[in-house]
Amino acid sequence: NFMLTQPHSVSESPGKTVTISCTRSSGSIANNYVQWYQQRPGSAPTTVIYINNQRPSGVPDRFSGSIDSSSNSASLTISGLKTEDEADYYCQSYDSSNWVFGGGTKLTVL
Amino acid sequence: QVTLRESGPALVKPTQTLTLTCTFSGFSLSTSGMCVSWIRQPPGKALEWLALIDWDDDKYYSASLKTRLTISKDTSKNQVVLKMTNMDPADTATYYCARFVVAFREFDFWGQGTLVTVSS
Repeated sequence: NFMLTQPHSVSESPGKTVTISCTRSSGSIANNYVQWYQQRPGSAPTTVIYINNQRPSGVPDRFSGSIDSSSNSASLTISGLKTEDEADYYCQSYDSSNWVFGGGTKLTVL
Repeated sequence: QVTLRESGPALVKPTQTLTLTCTFSGFSLSTSGMCVSWIRQPPGKALEWLALIDWDDDKYYSASLKTRLTISKDTSKNQVVLKMTNMDPADTATYYCARFVVAFREFDFWGQGTLVTVSS
């Protein structure tokens, strides 16, 4: 089994750009798609990125996803930060009949 | 419109078996590519995937909890049931059910979650 490691927290000012990383411990990040979920307090998660870089309808194009095989990691980038983006973000991937979530990153927009 | 709703006891005693039911609408679990999964989240902690059942009745479990989990479905009732044996206070968490669509590789619809507390 593998793990997905995220920074515990990140903070940035409104209007700026922030990137959250998700590093896979073993196996190639490119072998299985990565998803990103946003979770606001008291609510269930919702998808902001699926299949590495696809945005569900209704998710603004300020959200983008990518993977980097050289660092074996995925990234979620949020540009033009808004206070409403403040939430926990989780990456998620899969391997060998096992679905794995990262530890989550708390984004503070201050 | 896809909806999922979890139901079950809010409080269980240590060593008891937890039974949770996910009742869904807006899709059929007999449709190829459709799956339902259980995911939990201890208070203030990260999401943890538990189990998944697919349209073909194939079942998948978290390696760390495999011996304690059983997932099943009743397609006619649009329900998925999760049983977890030998409950411990460390199993206190909000338990979510979510739809997983193979084509999109994502948990695209979630229930609101149900908080289960394990305490004597």
